[in-house]
Amino acid sequence: KAGVTQTPRYLIKTRGQQVTLSCSPISGHRSVSWYQQTPGQGLQFLFEYFSETQRNKGNFPGRFSGRQFSNSRSEMNVSTLELGDSALYLCASSPAVSNEKLFFGSGTQLSVL
Amino acid sequence: KNEVEQSPQNLTAQEGEFITINCSYSVGISALHWLQQHPGGGIVSLFMLSSGKKKHGRLIATINIQEKHSSLHITASHPRDSAVYICAVRRDNTDKLIFGTGTRLQVFP
Repeated sequence: KAGVTQTPRYLIKTRGQQVTLSCSPISGHRSVSWYQQTPGQGLQFLFEYFSETQRNKGNFPGRFSGRQFSNSRSEMNVSTLELGDSALYLCASSPAVSNEKLFFGSGTQLSVL
Repeated sequence: KNEVEQSPQNLTAQEGEFITINCSYSVGISALHWLQQHPGGGIVSLFMLSSGKKKHGRLIATINIQEKHSSLHITASHPRDSAVYICAVRRDNTDKLIFGTGTRLQVFP
């Protein structure tokens, strides 16, 4: 089985731009969650989707949004990028929701200049 | 105070040593995860537990729900165990994952 695939691996943007990151979960997994990792704040939960519905959202501004498609693939979007949005964005998939083992992708390293 | 605290922050060991990493939390949880992150970013889920103890190879994870504490043990440590180990808890009222700040482990030959 292929693992969780995140694209692109690296991204450089400038302030004010917007960005879309993609996550393809393991085949058969219906839950996808997104996380931001920075040296200062560590790992923080962004949002979680299950069967195209957002189940949960972390404490991030409305500039951060996401969606999940019928094939369970997910995208997250950040609009009006700020320097502080520079981070490693990770997604994880699991077969269902809540108390299931998580399978992480390699992440997208976003640099905002 | 962070809702999830890990100790120690940094740990250095000689190959073969027994290692313990601790995680304490202050909220009600439905599950606790132990994650391993190698340089380069990739995260591997080691354990998910809600009670008792789990073992996989040289790794053992325990949780005491009453004391709100979990430990990750590595027996016969090896340089390839060098990584950051992260504890994460799923809050039982919001279902959100909250992460500890991680323990950086270096095992020298």
